[in-house]
Amino acid sequence: AQSVTQLGSHVSVSEGALVLLRCNYSSSVPPYLFWYVQYPNQGLQLLLKYTSAATLVKGINGFEAEFKKSETSFHLTKPSAHMSDAAEYFCAVSAGGGSNYKLTFGKGTLLTVNP
Amino acid sequence: EPEVTQTPSHQVTQMGQEVILRCVPISNHLYFYWYRQILGQKVEFLVSFYNNEISEKSEIFDDQFSVERPDGSNFTLKIRSTKLEDSAMYFCASRSGGDPNTEAFFGQGTRLTVV
Repeated sequence: AQSVTQLGSHVSVSEGALVLLRCNYSSSVPPYLFWYVQYPNQGLQLLLKYTSAATLVKGINGFEAEFKKSETSFHLTKPSAHMSDAAEYFCAVSAGGGSNYKLTFGKGTLLTVNP
Repeated sequence: EPEVTQTPSHQVTQMGQEVILRCVPISNHLYFYWYRQILGQKVEFLVSFYNNEISEKSEIFDDQFSVERPDGSNFTLKIRSTKLEDSAMYFCASRSGGDPNTEAFFGQGTRLTVV
């Protein structure tokens, strides 16, 4: 079975500061990993995904994540936070078999950006 | 840009009543999902649907729940007799293919409140 742990339910940074949101996974098979963002009153939007092609993955809005197999981690970073980055961020692992690859999510991390 | 749409955005219902949550997936997508998020908890998988049948369901998806794709465009989730603990945000998602790294597109969600 696959699982995801997001360390820190709430992260607060200043505008312009580094954003680091942590995600650790557990998977018995090579994982497919995703970061989704949820802005207030909106659905889940894909930020980026790891599909084994490259360990450093770049996504939208300046975010990137690095897959580290030895640490079973897929932390999300952004060098300089912007006010518009305030949202909830979810790490997820794709699990299943055949054609059914459901997502298993972490609990989410709420990012607050202070002016 | 194509998107998954869900209606209604918010539904309040009395305990014991039936509710139907509606979703219109992206038109050329073949794989459909329902997830839910109880307030303060993680997004949880409920059910996946492909080729007009359920491909997987979670423990949460008991006999009170059912899904349908009645007309080739809508994808509905029915809860036969709602309970207080069914109060949650329900997300519909769709994917174009069965490859595990194919992106899942999410709707904005329906907030169900059972009173």
